[in-house]
Formats: sequence, C-alpha cells, structure tokens
Amino acid sequence: AAGVIQSPRHLIKEKRETATLKCYPIPRHDTVYWYQQGPGQDPQFLISFYEKMQSDKGSIPDRFSAQQFSDYHSELNMSSLELGDSALYFCASSLGQEILAKNIQYFGAGTRLSVL
Amino acid sequence: AQSVAQPEDQVNVAEGNPLTVKCTYSVSGNPYLFWYVQYPNRGLQFLLKYITGDNLVKGSYGFEAEFNKSQTSFHLKKPSALVSDSALYFCAVRRDSSASKIIFGSGTRLSIRP
Repeated sequence: AAGVIQSPRHLIKEKRETATLKCYPIPRHDTVYWYQQGPGQDPQFLISFYEKMQSDKGSIPDRFSAQQFSDYHSELNMSSLELGDSALYFCASSLGQEILAKNIQYFGAGTRLSVL
Repeated sequence: AQSVAQPEDQVNVAEGNPLTVKCTYSVSGNPYLFWYVQYPNRGLQFLLKYITGDNLVKGSYGFEAEFNKSQTSFHLKKPSALVSDSALYFCAVRRDSSASKIIFGSGTRLSIRP
C-alpha cells in the first residue's frame, strides 16, 4: 500500500540558508501534519492542514511556514536556518475531519535536516 | 493540557520473555491513545490505538495494550518478545475534541537480548 512520501530524505544546509521539505500524503488523505524530532527527543507537533487550510498550530517558529496544495501535498518552508533547526522532520497524513481525533496518523520516513 | 509520561527510558528483556512498556496519560475529557514504534532511521509506525470499547486493544506484530482509566495508564505488552522488537516506542494521546495534534511521550527504548 502507498505510504506517506517525504523528500528529500536528507538535506544539508548552512546557517541562514533556506530549505523546503515536501510531503506527499497517502492517496485520498486530506489532512497533513508536520512534526519535528530533535536528537534524542520525542516528536513535537508543528502545524497541520485540512483541505488546504491550516487546522492547528503548534511550536512552529515564525521563520517557518507551510502550506497544503490542491493535490493535498504539503511543503514546509524554513528560512534563516539556525543550528538548532537540525532535526528529523516528519510528515503524517490522515483521512477525514469528521471523526478527526480517532483517525490514525500515518507517518513518512522523515527528512533529516542538518544545519552546519 | 494533555500530556503523556513514559517513566522508563530503556527496557531490557530476554527473547521469549513477556515485555511491558509503561505509559500514563493526563488529559481532560476522553483520551484517544496510541502506540507508535520507531526503528533506526525510519519513520513512526502505528501499532495500535484505544478509542472506546474493550480495555484490551490488540495491534500489529503481536502487541497489545491495556487501557486503565482509574490508573490513567495505557501500558504496551507482548507475551513473548522477539529480538526484532528492539526499537524506540512512543506512547501518544489526543483529546477527543482535539483537531489535530498528537502529543508524544518521551519514548522508551526497548532492547531484546537473544
């Protein structure tokens, strides 16, 4: 079965550069979530989208922005990168809003961002 | 605010023995509880969830978890551990009225020795 696809798998950037992470949800899933997992940390929720609208917001820095497109894929844009942004960034997708909290979030393999 | 606690950073079990990974939660309203597993350099894989109904939930790879409302716990269990079960396990919670986010515990590293 198709899973959540994230690209790139690895990304190396320097401080103050920008990065764009992409997420392609499971087909027919209309909701995407972004999480950040620092070294040795648990995943922290950043932001989510349902039907191309932001549905919830967590601890996402102002330097980051995200959007969901008409084909439901999502992009996380990160500017003015800092050393502390080095982490594993996960995207997850789920289906449906009406019983939202019951829906399983399926995770991609993640993008490992290293800021030098 | 909702939160999840995994009191053990590491659990070591011999292959073939039963295993338990502990999780307690704090949430207002009805909790939706999840267990995810993370293998090295891999994403989070869904194991099982508790929404309502039977307190004992069965999931993937022979894992099960028991919801205990009075103790606000959702411990992960398996009757007979395999070396391939060695991984990082996260307990997670969502409120029943929560729009989106999952709150993860700090994770427990499970190590199964042959």
